[in-house]
Amino acid sequence: DVKVTQSSRYLVKRTGEKVFLECVQDMDHENMFWYRQDPGLGLRLIYFSYDVKMKEKGDIPEGYSVSREKKERFSLILESASTNQTSMYLCASSLGTGGIKKRPQHFGDGTRLSIL
Amino acid sequence: QQQVKQSPQSLIVQKGGISIINCAYENTAFDYFPWYQQFPGKGPALLIAIRPDVSEKKEGRFTISFNKSAKQFSLHIMDSQPGDSATYFCAASGTDKLIFGTGTRLQVFP
Repeated sequence: DVKVTQSSRYLVKRTGEKVFLECVQDMDHENMFWYRQDPGLGLRLIYFSYDVKMKEKGDIPEGYSVSREKKERFSLILESASTNQTSMYLCASSLGTGGIKKRPQHFGDGTRLSIL
Repeated sequence: QQQVKQSPQSLIVQKGGISIINCAYENTAFDYFPWYQQFPGKGPALLIAIRPDVSEKKEGRFTISFNKSAKQFSLHIMDSQPGDSATYFCAASGTDKLIFGTGTRLQVFP
């Protein structure tokens, strides 16, 4: 079974802090994703990475950056945390590019981030 | 064009009843339509998925119905059980990225 592990379940930070959310997958997947989940808004894609050091902006990248130095690890960075970034953050991975069979995404259990 | 519209936002069903969640899309390039199930405190997990060349797919008590001409697809949960109480997300994609609906919170009462 694919395991996607997010380093923290709950995190409380202060406005203006630089925040790092870490995600690790153990199935050698090519693609990794960061989403935020808010009530009534569903899952919105922040950033997507299709290879080491490669990234692509999602629908809501403002205020965020990402880092993928190793295939199994994908980090989300809040450069200067703000209260409107209080949310549930979900990491996911998928096998890779090239067809429907590679598209299913496997999710971690999320990090609930509160910015005070 | 990239949106997936999901309804209802919440659904209350009695045990043994049928739960129906609907989704609609605009982009005709979408070729993969999964449904995810999310329990409180957990990440979404893939439940069932369909391709547009198939009108229906069934896995146990869960069925996806797909209407290509109407650009709509729906999840039917037969004989709904309290253990099915969760949030359900439809999604669609034509690439490696998924576009998610806004979610339906299903509560099944005994």
